[in-house]
Amino acid sequence: GQSLEQPSEVTAVEGAIVQINCTYQTSGFYGLSWYQQHDGGAPTFLSYNALDGLEETGRFSSFLSRSDSYGYLLLQELQMKDSASYFCAVSRAGNNDMRFGAGTRLTVKP
Amino acid sequence: SAVISQKPSRDICQRGTSLTIQCQVDSQVTMMFWYRQQPGQSLTLIATANQGSEATYESGFVIDKFPISRPNLTFSTLTVSNMSPEDSSIYLCSGGPGSYEQYFGPGTRLTVT
Repeated sequence: GQSLEQPSEVTAVEGAIVQINCTYQTSGFYGLSWYQQHDGGAPTFLSYNALDGLEETGRFSSFLSRSDSYGYLLLQELQMKDSASYFCAVSRAGNNDMRFGAGTRLTVKP
Repeated sequence: SAVISQKPSRDICQRGTSLTIQCQVDSQVTMMFWYRQQPGQSLTLIATANQGSEATYESGFVIDKFPISRPNLTFSTLTVSNMSPEDSSIYLCSGGPGSYEQYFGPGTRLTVT
């Protein structure tokens, strides 16, 4: 079977750094993706990790450890507009699909 | 990246009727998918829309209820058939070079009365 676990809620203040963790159990793991979704909006692709290590894109970074079945999304210099839900999602080798975690609701406070 | 449009953006339908949702991508994409999402919850994959062949459905979703077409690499439709109030949800289509990187349409908010 498959499972993804991520915290349901995270709160941080403007300008801070926050890390959203994601652990997964899936056969044929291929890669881990992250999506952002604002209330009433569509999910937006943020990053994808297929190999171990850190991928940096501006204020956002994503990390993967395949041996630990673990990844995280790191958001730096938090802004109010970063308040949203963040989903990790796994893709599997040989399967043209992706499974989403339950999502983490990030609230950024002034 | 790809820009995806969906229509209608929302609809209110009576039970027993059907609604077809259209999804248009501004460029050719390899993969297209259909999801369902309840407000405040995660995305549930309905099916993978395969170009030129039958869609691949996830457990719990069947072709008779959710027929899907994908006539080319930029367009797909999802029909919600014989609707009941339980079908009320947001329906999202996505497309991209692979399942790992998807771009989503704005969604169709469906209410069944």
